[in-house]
Amino acid sequence: AQSVTQLGSHVSVSEGALVLLRCNYSSSVPPYLFWYVQYPNQGLQLLLKYTTGATLVKGINGFEAEFKKSETSFHLTKPSAHMSDAAEYFCAVSVGGGYNKLIFGAGTRLAVHP
Amino acid sequence: GAGVSQSPSNKVTEKGKDVELRCDPISGHTALYWYRQSLGQGLEFLIYFQGNSAPDKSGLPSDRFSAERTGGSVSTLTIQRTQQEDSAVYLCASSLPDREASIQYFGAGTRLSVL
Repeated sequence: AQSVTQLGSHVSVSEGALVLLRCNYSSSVPPYLFWYVQYPNQGLQLLLKYTTGATLVKGINGFEAEFKKSETSFHLTKPSAHMSDAAEYFCAVSVGGGYNKLIFGAGTRLAVHP
Repeated sequence: GAGVSQSPSNKVTEKGKDVELRCDPISGHTALYWYRQSLGQGLEFLIYFQGNSAPDKSGLPSDRFSAERTGGSVSTLTIQRTQQEDSAVYLCASSLPDREASIQYFGAGTRLSVL
């Protein structure tokens, strides 16, 4: 069965610092992996996804993630944090079976301070 | 509309009452998903529609929960005899004709509070 673990429910960084949000997955089939962001009182917005091919995936707002099969990881990074990046971030894996049922991690709340 | 629309945005109800939550997906999106977001359980899958049929209802927590979709468009999630543990944000998402990595577009959700 698929599952997702996000290490760190809260991460705090300074503006301009590196952002690193950790995600490890478990999947019995080649996984499709996603990062979503949720701003207060809004729905989830896709940041990026990995399906096949290049393991370094670039997304919106300067975020990227690297799929590492050997480590079963899909960590999200951004070189320089901005105040507007403060939000909750969710890693998800697709269950497969011909449709895109998502299993989400518990989420990581990112705080960015001046 | 341009995005997934959910109504109402907030719903306060008394324990034991029935509630209906509505989702208007993006036009042309045949796949529709309901998720629940709660403090204790995080984001959980509830049900998946392809067109008007629901091949996966495995996430519905009890028989008090049901959902339907009509005309391949609007979906309604109904909770009967609401309980306090039903308090959560209910999110709807839609996507293009189905593939496993299709991007899901989420609505802003309905925040349900059961008193």
